[in-house]
Amino acid sequence: QQQVKQSPQSLIVQKGGISIINCAYENTAFDYFPWYQQFPGKGPALLIAIRPDVSEKKEGRFTISFNKSAKQFSLHIMDSQPGDSATYFCAASRDDKIIFGKGTRLHILP
Amino acid sequence: DGGITQSPKYLFRKEGQNVTLSCEQNLNHDAMYWYRQDPGQGLRLIYYSQIVNDFQKGDIAEGYSVSREKKESFPLTVTSAQKNPTAFYLCASSISTSGGTDTQYFGPGTRLTVL
Repeated sequence: QQQVKQSPQSLIVQKGGISIINCAYENTAFDYFPWYQQFPGKGPALLIAIRPDVSEKKEGRFTISFNKSAKQFSLHIMDSQPGDSATYFCAASRDDKIIFGKGTRLHILP
Repeated sequence: DGGITQSPKYLFRKEGQNVTLSCEQNLNHDAMYWYRQDPGQGLRLIYYSQIVNDFQKGDIAEGYSVSREKKESFPLTVTSAQKNPTAFYLCASSISTSGGTDTQYFGPGTRLTVL
């Protein structure tokens, strides 16, 4: 009930392509779904977040798609750039409880 | 310049030693957290604190201890009881844990290596 399953574990995308990372959760009580970006040796930084009352949120090249009935959400990175190469974590939270996915290591080929 | 600072960036420990990792925030956040990150494991919660002088165990608290004597400080001690302490440790904070979900902001991390 408390798991957040993230896939794929690693992803290689050509420069200019679309990177897609998927997450699924089990607990319908979660009400906040952030995505974090982490570069090697650094702490994660909030990238974009969504609440379940909307199905999509876009910020620049980053879009979250949210499917409440399927309990799934995904991160789309449009026009992927080498600077986007990092590890991405999805998370699901409610009040003081946050559960992270295990991360996706994204590599953008120049 | 507001944010979360962690020190040291790298820490080496001999087996059997206790070490303390520092975490300070000047964001005036009520809640603070400690996570451990291992390759392929994501982030695992060690301890968290919602207010001064109070803290709760997370999922992997064994072998660790914390204190919260000041709002801005939440040090983590890795004791000799922690069997596999080599990892990347991340401190985070959020405005409040009551009345809604708040974004967690992370520090730069401390990499602990046991020699």
